[in-house]
Amino acid sequence: QQQVKQSPQSLIVQKGGISIINCAYENTAFDYFPWYQQFPGKGPALLIAIRPDVSEKKEGRFTISFNKSAKQFSLHIMDSQPGDSATYFCAATSLGGGGNKLTFGTGTQLKVEL
Amino acid sequence: DAGVIQSPRHEVTEMGQEVTLRCKPISGHNSLFWYRQTMMRGLELLIYFNNNVPIDDSGMPEDRFSAKMPNASFSTLKIQPSEPRDSAVYFCASSPGGGKNIQYFGAGTRLSVL
Repeated sequence: QQQVKQSPQSLIVQKGGISIINCAYENTAFDYFPWYQQFPGKGPALLIAIRPDVSEKKEGRFTISFNKSAKQFSLHIMDSQPGDSATYFCAATSLGGGGNKLTFGTGTQLKVEL
Repeated sequence: DAGVIQSPRHEVTEMGQEVTLRCKPISGHNSLFWYRQTMMRGLELLIYFNNNVPIDDSGMPEDRFSAKMPNASFSTLKIQPSEPRDSAVYFCASSPGGGKNIQYFGAGTRLSVL
């Protein structure tokens, strides 16, 4: 019940296209859903996050869509650029659980081609 | 702030040797996390501390692994004896707590056990 399932495992998108990564969770206690971005040789870094009281959050070219009833959330990268090529992790946590422990998805390797 | 600092960045050792990984969290953060990243298993939480106290070590693979946090500015992850299957990238992350559920990752230690 603690798992966060992420798909696809890898994704190739043309420059200017839309990249979409999906995640699903089971634990209804989860109430905070961040996405992390990781470049080769670096640690993951927070990209964008959402709480379930909204269905969408947008920051620049990055948008999280959240479907509470389906227990699914997704990351959309509009106008994808080669610099977006990285591994993306979705995550989830229960803010009331204390300790800030995050449950991570398995990651998606995104490659944006020219 | 210099961010989360991990040392060494790379470690090559022989099977059976003791390995110690070090982490300096961001000053003022009260939560610290140790993760292991491999291609096969993705990003796994090994253990985390709140206010220097271990809260959840259920991810520690076996007794060969141990972690300590003697003070708010330093933590170690020790593997004794090391085995080839321990080869991975180990990340340390810290979080400010207080409802700010963001984890800041270090650059990681790439461990190779021959």
